[in-house]
Amino acid sequence: QKEVEQDPGPLSVPEGAIVSLNCTYSNSAFQYFMWYRQYSRKGPELLMYTYSSGNKEDGRFTAQVDKSSKYISLFIRDSQPSDSATYLCAMKGVGGSQGNLIFGKGTKLSVKP
Amino acid sequence: DAMVIQNPRYQVTQFGKPVTLSCSQTLNHNVMYWYQQKSSQAPKLLFHYYDKDFNNEADTPDNFQSRRPNTSFCFLDIRSPGLGDAAMYLCATSPGVTYEQYFGPGTRLTVT
Repeated sequence: QKEVEQDPGPLSVPEGAIVSLNCTYSNSAFQYFMWYRQYSRKGPELLMYTYSSGNKEDGRFTAQVDKSSKYISLFIRDSQPSDSATYLCAMKGVGGSQGNLIFGKGTKLSVKP
Repeated sequence: DAMVIQNPRYQVTQFGKPVTLSCSQTLNHNVMYWYQQKSSQAPKLLFHYYDKDFNNEADTPDNFQSRRPNTSFCFLDIRSPGLGDAAMYLCATSPGVTYEQYFGPGTRLTVT
């Protein structure tokens, strides 16, 4: 079982739709949960992060972490064509090798006008 | 703008011919990372530098080496590229080992 599992998609939605992206993980030592966005031919950039469990909202984006289920989600409201990108979840623990980021494979999202 | 720069953006090399990829940063971050990302795969950490302290991942092949001559620059050397080394190579930096890493645009390596 991989440490982080993410459905690679692709996911295609119409403009204005609500998008739900998810990851599951197996390592209970993970404490930081991130979503990175990667546009075509660019490097990933941090979109949101959450420490431990809970929700975090930033504009149209909401990140949720459920540590009891080892499940994290990213919701995008009122999706726009500019949201078309690959979304990578990433996680890390604290200290030593647990401090390294472990990425999911990424979900490729396409928002159609 | 402060940023992470990778050169070249595209590199073609022959099977077995050594190749060097370059990364520079203007963020003055003390940690620099090299990741390998194959198509539709997760970025895989190869190694990182915490200042001058080199940290190699256990499963990184010996074929991959790195140098960090100063804070701003880091190089990835592939001594004898195989066809399986064709990938996007991403350089990233961070101010300490944090959740937020700043990535360059990547170098896409093709091995012929």
